[in-house]
Amino acid sequence: GQQLNQSPQSMFIQEGEDVSMNCTSSSIFNTWLWYKQDPGEGPVLLIALYKAGELTSNGRLTAQFGITRKDSFLNISASIPSDVGIYFCAGQLGSEKLVFGKGTKLTVNP
Amino acid sequence: EAGVVQSPRYKIIEKKQPVAFWCNPISGHNTLYWYRQNLGQGPELLIRYENEEAVDDSQLPKDRFSAERLKGVDSTLKIQPAELGDSAVYLCASSYRDRVVFSKHNEQFFGPGTRLTVL
Repeated sequence: GQQLNQSPQSMFIQEGEDVSMNCTSSSIFNTWLWYKQDPGEGPVLLIALYKAGELTSNGRLTAQFGITRKDSFLNISASIPSDVGIYFCAGQLGSEKLVFGKGTKLTVNP
Repeated sequence: EAGVVQSPRYKIIEKKQPVAFWCNPISGHNTLYWYRQNLGQGPELLIRYENEEAVDDSQLPKDRFSAERLKGVDSTLKIQPAELGDSAVYLCASSYRDRVVFSKHNEQFFGPGTRLTVL
């Protein structure tokens, strides 16, 4: 099935560092979503973006909806050990199904 | 408030055997989704229900997969017979969609999933 291009595939960082990951698509979306999935759990929504160019924050997380509507990025500032997990982007066009990226696996070393 | 409940959490079967997964959505949620998540991949939608009606089942392999949502509440997903390639995590999610009031986005809440291993 269709998937988004999400990068990097994995990241190993030190506690306190900032993190950036992004997602690109060949087709446009009018909603971009960022989820986090912990082992043995389902994805949990972190941030939702609805408008091209929109920049939204949720605590230490900041995400932006690309102007072309074909990309989005997620930044995590001052990472902490509990940020460990897999981060997924997802795009949606209208009420169509969500299309997920392959995920970015984040490891934070204390 | 209870989240999306799924059972079993883990299932190991031999190929050609049948298997069923059960999902109870968040109370009041009228939309229910079944996703399959292969190892190292994001979730992929199998089927979406609005109340008891399947409104998008285009990705459901209908030769061996079936689903139902009787009474528009909980749902079951069945595979018969299972194949080796069906090994994956099967996620259920639910959301509330108001047909009268437009909403930019109906947040989907995911259950913990059922990890299926086919030997």
